[in-house]
Amino acid sequence: SSELTQDPAVSVALGQTVRITCQGDSLRTYYTSWYQQKPGQAPVLVIYGKDNRPSGIPDRFSGSRSGNTASLTITGAQAEDEADYYCNSRDTSANHLVFGGGTKLTVL
Amino acid sequence: EVQVVESGGGLVQPGRSLRLSCVASGFIFGDYAMHWVRQVPGKGLEWVSGISWNSANIDYADSVKGRFTISRDNAKNSLYLQMNSLRPEDTALYYCGKDIKVQSNYYYGLAVWGQGTTVTVSS
Repeated sequence: SSELTQDPAVSVALGQTVRITCQGDSLRTYYTSWYQQKPGQAPVLVIYGKDNRPSGIPDRFSGSRSGNTASLTITGAQAEDEADYYCNSRDTSANHLVFGGGTKLTVL
Repeated sequence: EVQVVESGGGLVQPGRSLRLSCVASGFIFGDYAMHWVRQVPGKGLEWVSGISWNSANIDYADSVKGRFTISRDNAKNSLYLQMNSLRPEDTALYYCGKDIKVQSNYYYGLAVWGQGTTVTVSS
């Protein structure tokens, strides 16, 4: 089955831009979805498809892909963006979903 | 408001069974694939199972295949997860979720998540 790899932790200064990455062979074929999870809360979808934001997600969140790497970019990070971020895509060998291990974002 | 609400979690002994339920509202339930995803406290997300909008595709993670059964009742806007032969490693918060894409037999991700229901497998 496919695997998705994320950096365990990333930090960004308040108001600066941060990129969170997700690597995996399945990303050459399938788009990535990104989720934000704050402590004690359920995950929330923030990016899906090529670069689509669900209603209510600020436009400082954007997504991109190059080769086997997908990226979630937060332009002008805010204190409320501090959270865990997970990527997911479809598995290449089965009709499964696969999640990355998650990245803990700290806003300094 | 689009939402899903899980129920049915609890404390159960190893080897026993439990049935989780998820009731959806605010969208046309029968038009979307649905999923179960679990999370051990302090750990990452693990996809458990998915069922397409028309039940043509039913899929399971290797870790639960042969023990768990997903089903849906579109007339009741409800999703279920029958969990048999439970193991301590099945202990987690179980989320129900609605897929991103309408009327697809393939899975894209979870557009809507519930708050989860906790399953604890312990003697």
